[in-house]
Amino acid sequence: NAGVTQTPKFQVLKTGQSMTLQCAQDMNHEYMSWYRQDPGMGLRLIHYSVGAGITDQGEVPNGYNVSRSTTEDFPLRLLSAAPSQTSVYFCASSYSHSLNTEAFFGQGTRLTVV
Amino acid sequence: AQSVTQLGSHVSVSEGALVLLRCNYSSSVPPYLFWYVQYPNQGLQLLLKYTSAATLVKGINGFEAEFKKSETSFHLTKPSAHMSDAAEYFCAVRVYGQNFVFGPGTRLSVLP
Repeated sequence: NAGVTQTPKFQVLKTGQSMTLQCAQDMNHEYMSWYRQDPGMGLRLIHYSVGAGITDQGEVPNGYNVSRSTTEDFPLRLLSAAPSQTSVYFCASSYSHSLNTEAFFGQGTRLTVV
Repeated sequence: AQSVTQLGSHVSVSEGALVLLRCNYSSSVPPYLFWYVQYPNQGLQLLLKYTSAATLVKGINGFEAEFKKSETSFHLTKPSAHMSDAAEYFCAVRVYGQNFVFGPGTRLSVLP
């Protein structure tokens, strides 16, 4: 059981470049989300989805786009990378119907924008 | 809006000593509370969760946490620290909006 898989693990971008961070889960979870982790700030929610075709903004959505065409996949797109987007990005998934179920996390993508 | 505070961004204990990591939450509705651990260069792993069945919750690796509604707290404890417990610990709350709100994290160092 792979759980939540993120690719790539590491990425260096130049300012202004675009890229897509991939996230896939094999647990049939309805809820998927993207977080960024910065020192001293915990995890901040970027975008989330409660099912295929449904997405919404989190706390820090600017500069990022998402789509959810299937239950399994939830890619995060950086439209025009900026140094402020240097961070570690985590994808997570969970069941939607029960709030007492935990989130399962991927291993993270460490992104550096130069 | 819901929020989570963790007192102490860095806690150091000696091996074999008690570990106490603090978590306080604000929520207008009964919360579901979680503790996660993050080892270096890894994702977050669930330690334990409170789901209203019992106020004292036992998790993996000998950790436990007690939900105290009157204090809006969910502190994490372990009677005897081990070197392998050195990691970052995050408290999180999940409410009716389905999203998880995380605290800023506490880095635990265990001294020999």
